[in-house]
Amino acid sequence: QKEVEQDPGPLSVPEGAIVSLNCTYSNSAFQYFMWYRQYSRKGPELLMYTYSSGNKEDGRFTAQVDKSSKYISLFIRDSQPSDSATYLCAFQAGTALIFGKGTTLSVSS
Amino acid sequence: KAGVTQTPRYLIKTRGQQVTLSCSPISGHRSVSWYQQTPGQGLQFLFEYFSETQRNKGNFPGRFSGRQFSNSRSEMNVSTLELGDSALYLCASSTQTGDGTEAFFGQGTRLTVV
Repeated sequence: QKEVEQDPGPLSVPEGAIVSLNCTYSNSAFQYFMWYRQYSRKGPELLMYTYSSGNKEDGRFTAQVDKSSKYISLFIRDSQPSDSATYLCAFQAGTALIFGKGTTLSVSS
Repeated sequence: KAGVTQTPRYLIKTRGQQVTLSCSPISGHRSVSWYQQTPGQGLQFLFEYFSETQRNKGNFPGRFSGRQFSNSRSEMNVSTLELGDSALYLCASSTQTGDGTEAFFGQGTRLTVV
């Protein structure tokens, strides 16, 4: 079983849609749960992080963690063309980050 | 505030050669981590340095090495390059050792091995 599984997509949605991105993980030792966004030809940038089960909201973005199911999600409301990017889930394991392979999202206007 | 700077942005090398990549962290950040990004494997952790000491190492062969200087700038070296080493190499800096909750990534160095 892979340590982190993330559907690579691509995912194409119209502007204004609600987007759901998901990852599953197998390592119970993961401490923090993060979502990064990576635009083409750029490095990843941290969107949100959380360390406990439940929801965390930041503007149009909501991160959800279910530790019992080892499942995390990122919801994007009212998606915009500027949200078109690759979204990577990431997990803190000691001093290293373990990443999913990323989901490519395209939002059309 | 300047971000993480990686140089060079692009490199083309021949199999068997060696290469050195450079990373200048955000001012005040003492932790530098290196990652390799490929389409097949995604982002994979190489190693992390904090205050000139390697704190953690990923599952890569000994051809991959790094170091950190007293000003927190870091270099990574790959010797005896293989075609499979073609990748985007990213570094991230943070104030605390390996703190992913405040890690800032550079734009990466695109290495192509021919």
